[in-house]
Amino acid sequence: GDSVTQMEGPVTLSEEAFLTINCTYTATGYPSLFWYVQYPGEGLQLLLKATKADDKGSNKGFEATYRKETTSFHLEKGSVQVSDSAVYFCALSQKAAQGGSEKLVFGKGTKLTVNP
Amino acid sequence: KAGVTQTPRYLIKTRGQQVTLSCSPISGHRSVSWYQQTPGQGLQFLFEYFSETQRNKGNFPGRFSGRQFSNSRSEMNVSTLELGDSALYLCASTFLGLAGGLKSYNEQFFGPGTRLTVL
Repeated sequence: GDSVTQMEGPVTLSEEAFLTINCTYTATGYPSLFWYVQYPGEGLQLLLKATKADDKGSNKGFEATYRKETTSFHLEKGSVQVSDSAVYFCALSQKAAQGGSEKLVFGKGTKLTVNP
Repeated sequence: KAGVTQTPRYLIKTRGQQVTLSCSPISGHRSVSWYQQTPGQGLQFLFEYFSETQRNKGNFPGRFSGRQFSNSRSEMNVSTLELGDSALYLCASTFLGLAGGLKSYNEQFFGPGTRLTVL
């Protein structure tokens, strides 16, 4: 079945450092790809998404490009802030046969801590 | 517009008991999905409901069940609780319009979760 593999961390960076969190996937067909973020005590928030090959998702300074040839969707940010400290999840979804809400398949999550 | 709400936020039960969790989707959203989050297994899909019908189901035992009401609110039930059922249970709501089947993706909006502890 479909699966997502991401570096599990934890990742600790200093403020203004460059961030990369690797994510690769295994799926049939052409899934949509996502990065979700989870702050302490909260649910998941969609950070960015890409729905087809070569699409670049971006939000709040974070970017990720859908690379079909390497089945990857690595998350990057040029300069992290303390407020970026959270757990980041890479995920994919395939469109349900009945056209309903797609089921999300998540990676294990990467905990990021940014120190001032 | 209010977000997805889940009640209760925290719950403590003992082995063998049963529990019911509730999820109220964003107004106008017709699909509700449930996920289980544990440190060991991560986030796993439980099931999805649309128009009071379960349309998609994950790989969980029959002790896990759910339902959706006509107002799109959803409940999930876990019977005969086991220690391993301790987890954060997240629900997500999705807007599916009449043309939902033609869209490439329908975003899922997550609630804050219900933290279940089984003793």
